[in-house]
Amino acid sequence: DAGITQSPRHKVTETGTPVTLRCHQTENHRYMYWYRQDPGHGLRLIHYSYGVKDTDKGEVSDGYSVSRSKTEDFLLTLESATSSQTSVYFCAISESHTGELFFGEGSRLTVL
Amino acid sequence: GDSVTQMEGPVTLSEEAFLTINCTYTATGYPSLFWYVQYPGEGLQLLLKATKADDKGSNKGFEATYRKETTSFHLEKGSVQVSDSAVYFCALNSGGSNYKLTFGKGTLLTVNP
Repeated sequence: DAGITQSPRHKVTETGTPVTLRCHQTENHRYMYWYRQDPGHGLRLIHYSYGVKDTDKGEVSDGYSVSRSKTEDFLLTLESATSSQTSVYFCAISESHTGELFFGEGSRLTVL
Repeated sequence: GDSVTQMEGPVTLSEEAFLTINCTYTATGYPSLFWYVQYPGEGLQLLLKATKADDKGSNKGFEATYRKETTSFHLEKGSVQVSDSAVYFCALNSGGSNYKLTFGKGTLLTVNP
């Protein structure tokens, strides 16, 4: 199994509070991604990184920011959580030119 | 832009039945195509892939053939098992330097004994 650890795995928070999700990899892969999974929507890309301090937006980036100060860590921050951000968040990593992604186990976030 | 359309299900089958999950795509250029599987409570894992037209990906008894003329990548298995119960996602990577995957909405498969 690819060495990807997401933390926390479960979090309940209140509207308006900041939340940070962490993705840690031990594979030294260049590319890292944050997706959210919602019923009826499949997986949608929030942000991705193609190197240390190099990040870009995905299709649903509003309300989210990311940072990557080290190869192994990719942080997803919700500056002020809203109920619409209740979701399961998946981190993924990639190195292969074929586009194969390896996924973490997910972080379930509930915003009350 | 890129998009993937797959049958939404849910699909319920009896053990040993034949499975087909349809997937069609829209993309520029020549995408690579993937099927991922998500077992309950877990992340996604790659099931199979195909990188060019007419390629057949296969794994664990599942197969899918990259059909450029019909822009399809249908997933099939001849005899499903209870352990195949999961959500299946079709995805594509249309190339470029960032290897982003675009996913379909997923199909929930339940196999009953």
